[in-house]
Amino acid sequence: KQEVTQIPAALSVPEGENLVLNCSFTDSAIYNLQWFRQDPGKGLTSLLLIQSSQREQTSGRLNASLDKSSGRSTLYIAASQPGDSATYLCAVFKAAGNKLTFGGGTRVLVKP
Amino acid sequence: GAGVSQTPSNKVTEKGKYVELRCDPISGHTALYWYRQSLGQGPEFLIYFQGTGAADDSGLPNDRFFAVRPEGSVSTLKIQRTERGDSAVYLCASSLFARGGTEAFFGQGTRLTVV
Repeated sequence: KQEVTQIPAALSVPEGENLVLNCSFTDSAIYNLQWFRQDPGKGLTSLLLIQSSQREQTSGRLNASLDKSSGRSTLYIAASQPGDSATYLCAVFKAAGNKLTFGGGTRVLVKP
Repeated sequence: GAGVSQTPSNKVTEKGKYVELRCDPISGHTALYWYRQSLGQGPEFLIYFQGTGAADDSGLPNDRFFAVRPEGSVSTLKIQRTERGDSAVYLCASSLFARGGTEAFFGQGTRLTVV
């Protein structure tokens, strides 16, 4: 059974500091890994999708890496801003089962 | 529409009542997923459709939950004899197709409260 873990569960940083969010998964047989952002009371917004054959993906201030062999992904957010405050979720798409399995999320607060 | 649309955005119902939650996926997306999210937790898988058929309903918690997608587009999640424990946010997602893991796009969710 695929398990996805995100540590820490919550993170508070001053504005301008770089954010590092971790995601680990137990089964390396995945098609891809997706990072999402969720604002309070809202749905999920897709941030980055990394295919299993890729090592990283970048979009603006966001960079996500994937190490399939060790079952880890890291989301880096450079020069954090108060508007980055949200919950960040990672999810893996298993090769078997054709569905996303989510971690519990990391709740981020960027203080002005 | 441009994104995944879910209606209603909020639903309050009495214990024991029947509810229907609707999901309108992105046009052309053949895969549709339902998830349930409790406060402070990540979404949990309920069911997914590839086209009109339910390809995997292993996440449905019991036989009070049922979902359909009769024409391969709009889907309805149906909950009979609702219980207070069913209170959660129900999220719908769609992707181009399921096999191979294309990017999934989520709706804003339906917040269900059973009183």
